[in-house]
Amino acid sequence: DQQVKQNSPSLSVQEGRISILNCDYTNSMFDYFLWYKKYPAEGPTFLISISSIKDKNEDGRFTVFLNKSAKHLSLHIVPSQPGDSAVYFCAAELARFGAGTRLTVKP
Amino acid sequence: GAVVSQHPSRVICKSGTSVKIECRSLDFQATTMFWYRQFPKQSLMLMATSNEGSKATYEQGVEKDKFLINHASLTLSTLTVTSAHPEDSSFYICSATGTSGLQETQYFGPGTRLLVL
Repeated sequence: DQQVKQNSPSLSVQEGRISILNCDYTNSMFDYFLWYKKYPAEGPTFLISISSIKDKNEDGRFTVFLNKSAKHLSLHIVPSQPGDSAVYFCAAELARFGAGTRLTVKP
Repeated sequence: GAVVSQHPSRVICKSGTSVKIECRSLDFQATTMFWYRQFPKQSLMLMATSNEGSKATYEQGVEKDKFLINHASLTLSTLTVTSAHPEDSSFYICSATGTSGLQETQYFGPGTRLLVL
């Protein structure tokens, strides 16, 4: 039973454009969400989080949006840079991860 | 920022042997650590939640007798893969709960790649 879903396994974006990564969850009791970035053979790195009392949290080029009624969150990266190429995981309640989306930013 | 280390980073063992993986929080105390497993091109699968001084909580489908977890101190948790078999070959990652600003987050170790021959 996958409670956190990332339905797009991959995304390709041109450098300088916006990257939008999406995540859906099924448990309405979740109230804390995180995004991580992961390179191959390394542990994930924390990017940004959001609690359910907010609908938006911004940190530099990264913004996370939360739509509680739709049980949906998204990560926006703008402008995208080649160094952003990695696998991005969303997680709920610290430990429930989605399957990840591989982002490729082309120069 | 908070640092979590794992040792070893890579291990190759024969089928039937046991392998111990250590996870340490280097500059903070972690009452809770998590153990994950990741297969190639797949998500992180939570195996168990390790709480200092108490028994680990295992996720459904994870054999507690196969994957022994010990969290003896606030900075160390160990995962022992007992009687390892080739299907146990995977990338094992630990994490420790700390704070980033005012909120809790997880800090991940670099992972341990296990290959069972």
